Amino acid sequence: KNEVEQSPQNLTAQEGEFITINCSYSVGISALHWLQQHPGGGIVSLFMLSSGKKKHGRLIATINIQEKHSSLHITASHPRDSAVYICAVSYFGNEKLTFGTGTRLTIIP
Amino acid sequence: NAGVTQTPKFRVLKTGQSMTLLCAQDMNHEYMYWYRQDPGMGLRLIHYSVGEGTTAKGEVPDGYNVSRLKKQNFLLGLESAAPSQTSVYFCASSGDGNQPQHFGDGTRLSIL
Repeated sequence: KNEVEQSPQNLTAQEGEFITINCSYSVGISALHWLQQHPGGGIVSLFMLSSGKKKHGRLIATINIQEKHSSLHITASHPRDSAVYICAVSYFGNEKLTFGTGTRLTIIP
Repeated sequence: NAGVTQTPKFRVLKTGQSMTLLCAQDMNHEYMYWYRQDPGMGLRLIHYSVGEGTTAKGEVPDGYNVSRLKKQNFLLGLESAAPSQTSVYFCASSGDGNQPQHFGDGTRLSIL
């Protein structure tokens, strides 16, 4: 069983909609990462957070340490946001990341 | 600024052949990682390195070897390729274990 669970696995929405992708994990972590993988394969780190909330443009990432849960929100979604969004966690004293299986987001014009 | 560069981008091998994938980074990062990505599964760590001359096993190391002779380069070797090693391979680097990882564009490897 993957220690990092993402939901939904697939999400299709209309352009302009508010998008939420969820990530839950089972044990305490040092940090949580959100990454984006576009068709064609390149992977880009979006956020790294250990508490609270971070915002970059139309993307917002939040984390609730007590509930072991994080969300990635996209406001005013656009077709160029279509990608796979991956959640990953790191643990204290461990240089490695544990990855979720990703959420495939498709934004229809 | 190239970031993380992987070569080759595509390769087809026959079972039993050997090959080396090269990862190069120009960010002076200490940490480097090799992952494989398979359909329906998250990225899985093959091997990693926390500095020049060091390597360590990840989650799925069998059938692979690595070397980090220079800080900027991390090589992944397949000594005797098997069809189960058909996958997309990603290299990544970071300044340390608590910083975001920077990924290469991936190598699509098919073993026939």
